[in-house]
Amino acid sequence: DTAVSQTPKYLVTQMGNDKSIKCEQNLGHDTMYWYKQDSKKFLKIMFSYNNKELIINETVPNRFSPKSPDKAHLNLHINSLELGDSAVYFCASSRRTSGSSDTQYFGPGTRLTVL
Amino acid sequence: GENVEQHPSTLSVQEGDSAVIKCTYSDSASNYFPWYKQELGKRPQLIIDIRSNVGEKKDQRIAVTLNKTAKHFSLHITETQPEDSAVYFCAASSLRGGGNKLTFGTGTQLKVEL
Repeated sequence: DTAVSQTPKYLVTQMGNDKSIKCEQNLGHDTMYWYKQDSKKFLKIMFSYNNKELIINETVPNRFSPKSPDKAHLNLHINSLELGDSAVYFCASSRRTSGSSDTQYFGPGTRLTVL
Repeated sequence: GENVEQHPSTLSVQEGDSAVIKCTYSDSASNYFPWYKQELGKRPQLIIDIRSNVGEKKDQRIAVTLNKTAKHFSLHITETQPEDSAVYFCAASSLRGGGNKLTFGTGTQLKVEL
C-alpha cells in the first residue's frame, strides 16, 4: 500500500554530509510526524506538523530541520550527519490533532547509515 | 512528560498458547492507547487500540484491557500462531501540549514456537 510513502528506503552516507528524507501521505490527513527508531528498536517522536505548522519538537538537535511544503508532505533535512544519527526514520500521519488522539499510520521507514 | 514502561522485553510461547504484554504509563492526561506490531524490517502497524472511556476491547484473537486508576494496560493474544512472532509496542497519547504525541514502550519481542 502507498498510503504513507518515504524516499529513499536506504541511505548510506559519510559523516559530515547533509541529506534529506521525503515523506508523502495520500490519506488526506492533517497531521504528520517523524519518528526515530534506534538500534535497540526504541521509537521516539521527533517532530509533528499540523497543516504545515510545527506543533511538536522533541529536543532534537537543530541539525534536523523538518519542512512541510503542504499538508501531504513532510520532509526531513539533516545537516552535518553524525555516527549517532544512524537509525531508521519513520514518517507517520493522522487525521487530526485536536479533539482526540487519532490513529497514526506509519510509512515504510528510511534506514540511514552514517559511516 | 509521559513515560511508558513495557514488560516483558522478550516472550516465548508455544503455538496455541496465550501471550500477555503489560504496559504502565505515568501521565493521567493520556487518553489513547494503541498497540503496534512490527515485523522485521517493516513498519509498525496498528493492531488494536483503546480509549480512556473504555475498559476492554476485543478483536478476534486480540484483546486489550485498560485500568485507568492503576495506569496500566495490557495486550492479550490467544491461540498464538507463528505469524504472531514480531515486536509489539504499546503507546500512550495525550493532547497535553497541543499535539497528538505518542510515547512508545520499549517493545516486546514475541516468539511463537511450533
